[in-house]
Amino acid sequence: GNSVTQMEGPVTLSEEAFLTINCTYTATGYPSLFWYVQYPGEGLQLLLKATKADDKGSNKGFEATYRKETTSFHLEKGSVQVSDSAVYFCALRAGSGAGSYQLTFGKGTKLSVIP
Amino acid sequence: EAQVTQNPRYLITVTGKKLTVTCSQNMNHEYMSWYRQDPGLGLRQIYYSMNVEVTDKGDVPEGYKVSRKEKRNFPLILESPSPNQTSLYFCASSSRGQDNSPLHFGNGTRLTVT
Repeated sequence: GNSVTQMEGPVTLSEEAFLTINCTYTATGYPSLFWYVQYPGEGLQLLLKATKADDKGSNKGFEATYRKETTSFHLEKGSVQVSDSAVYFCALRAGSGAGSYQLTFGKGTKLSVIP
Repeated sequence: EAQVTQNPRYLITVTGKKLTVTCSQNMNHEYMSWYRQDPGLGLRQIYYSMNVEVTDKGDVPEGYKVSRKEKRNFPLILESPSPNQTSLYFCASSSRGQDNSPLHFGNGTRLTVT
């Protein structure tokens, strides 16, 4: 079946540091890949997505590139801010078939940014 | 404002007492889904619905029921709650289930079963 593995947290960074959160996946076919973010006390919201190999998703200074050869979708940001403190979830949707109705989520990585 | 509304936000109940968590969306979305979030386990899908009167099991459906009689509402029913159903629950919706439109999440319902 489909699965998503992301780096264990929590991750603590100083403001303006470089961020990488690793995400690798296992899926049949050609999945679509997503990063969702959850701020304290809220539901998840879509941060960025990529639907085919070599696509780069970007939003709010965050980027992730769909790498089919390494089955990865690592999240990066060049300079984090305190307001980026949240839990980040990597997710995939199978390319076709019954499973394409389901999003499979990783376990989440909590990021804390200190001033 | 486009939103997914869950109620209640917090709920404490006792083992075996039936409860319903409501979910409503105002975006005319076809697809709706319930997830539970547990420490160390991330989000796991309970049930989903592709449209009115069409529902299917997710990864952890045991002990839960759902219904989709109207497009906007997708209640989650626990007929006989047990302590292992203590969790943070999220309802989500998207325009269609099989495209890449974003999932819109509610703010969650924290359920404690004693």
